[in-house]
Amino acid sequence: QKEVEQDPGPLSVPEGAIVSLNCTYSNSAFQYFMWYRQYSRKGPELLMYTYSSGNKEDGRFTAQVDKSSKYISLFIRDSQPSDSATYLCAMRSISSGSARQLTFGSGTQLTVLP
Amino acid sequence: GAGVSQSPRYKVAKRGQDVALRCDPISGHVSLFWYQQALGQGPEFLTYFQNEAQLDKSGLPSDRFFAERPEGSVSTLKIQRTQQEDSAVYLCASSTSHSNTEAFFGQGTRLTVV
Repeated sequence: QKEVEQDPGPLSVPEGAIVSLNCTYSNSAFQYFMWYRQYSRKGPELLMYTYSSGNKEDGRFTAQVDKSSKYISLFIRDSQPSDSATYLCAMRSISSGSARQLTFGSGTQLTVLP
Repeated sequence: GAGVSQSPRYKVAKRGQDVALRCDPISGHVSLFWYQQALGQGPEFLTYFQNEAQLDKSGLPSDRFFAERPEGSVSTLKIQRTQQEDSAVYLCASSTSHSNTEAFFGQGTRLTVV
């Protein structure tokens, strides 16, 4: 079983819909949680990161972390066709041995239809 | 430069051939990471440099993989005697801090071994 599980989709929604993307993880040492967006044939682009539990909002994007359930979410409000991409969750611990590497989910492919 | 630059963008190698992939990080970025992304999967950590020191190479899949960053700037990932399972996108990321929570990714090199 992978340390980070993410539903690969594909997920297709109409423009203006609220999108919910989720990941679960098994390593309780993870403390930093990130969401990346990756357009086709491009590198991942950091959208948001959160330390430990809680919510963080940035424009149309909201990230939530529930460490007790080992579950993280990304919500996209008023989705736009330009949001069509693969969304990757990523996380890491703060222990010195593995502090610098990110563990990614497999990505969810999102299509927002005009 | 304005961002992380990787070259070549695409590489086709015959099985058994050696390849070298180049990463030009953002100027002044201390930390540099290499990741491997298989089709439909999230990136997987390969190795990490802080300046010229390779501090973590735990993700390199075999001794055919070798990375260097001799002057603490440009990095090269070398794969010897390529095999079909090496086909993937190789991503480079750089960061200003020891942490890579705000790492910037390049567009990647898509390697196809035939």
